[in-house]
Amino acid sequence: QEQLVQSGSELKKPGASVKVSCKASGYPFTSFAMNWVRQAPGQGPEWMGWINTNLGNPTYAQGFTGRFVFSLDTSVSTAYLQISDLKAEDTAVYFCGRGRAAGGYYYMDVWGKGTTVTVSS
Amino acid sequence: EIVMTQSPATLTVSPGERATLSCRASQSVSSNLAWYQQKPGQAPRLLIYGASTRATGIPARFSGSGSGTEFTLTISSLQSEDFAVYLCQQHNNWPLTFGGGTKVEIE
Repeated sequence: QEQLVQSGSELKKPGASVKVSCKASGYPFTSFAMNWVRQAPGQGPEWMGWINTNLGNPTYAQGFTGRFVFSLDTSVSTAYLQISDLKAEDTAVYFCGRGRAAGGYYYMDVWGKGTTVTVSS
Repeated sequence: EIVMTQSPATLTVSPGERATLSCRASQSVSSNLAWYQQKPGQAPRLLIYGASTRATGIPARFSGSGSGTEFTLTISSLQSEDFAVYLCQQHNNWPLTFGGGTKVEIE
């Protein structure tokens, strides 16, 4: 079945980097965009942006430029989120979500289970 | 960016009863609205897109309505597995934005 499998939880110190992976299976990886969503503890989700899995070009939401990088390895149907110079406020669960455009609508219909990133000294 | 506001923050309902959740957009999003269900420690699950179209496999007791700035998610007869947080999200303008959620809890 269609699914996204994310990498495991990470505990990092401030200033370090982290790379979260999201491996797709059960569907043609390059046929759908991949979105990234952050959910801080006790908060609603926040859309970080998306990457065109066919062309490889990323689009970042405001607030997620500079330290955040979306990338792909299409040979293994995997999307990545890298965060550099980690700060305590980056502590959150990070989700990947498949973007689907249908009938003029765009929504996220398949989600990974989330990767918890904890930033603490 | 478009701000999505959900109400109430918490809705206390008995199993078998009807639940009505609201979502308001700060400007028109046409019918470009999705609803998700999220349980603790889990990813959001798509319920509705295009304001009223149920996603694949979603039971008929979930229905969405509205357009423009006012939207409603109705759960006609709450089952035990429906107690969760419900999120609305607009997909009319970038950036995509979510509401803060309505928690549906058992009375």
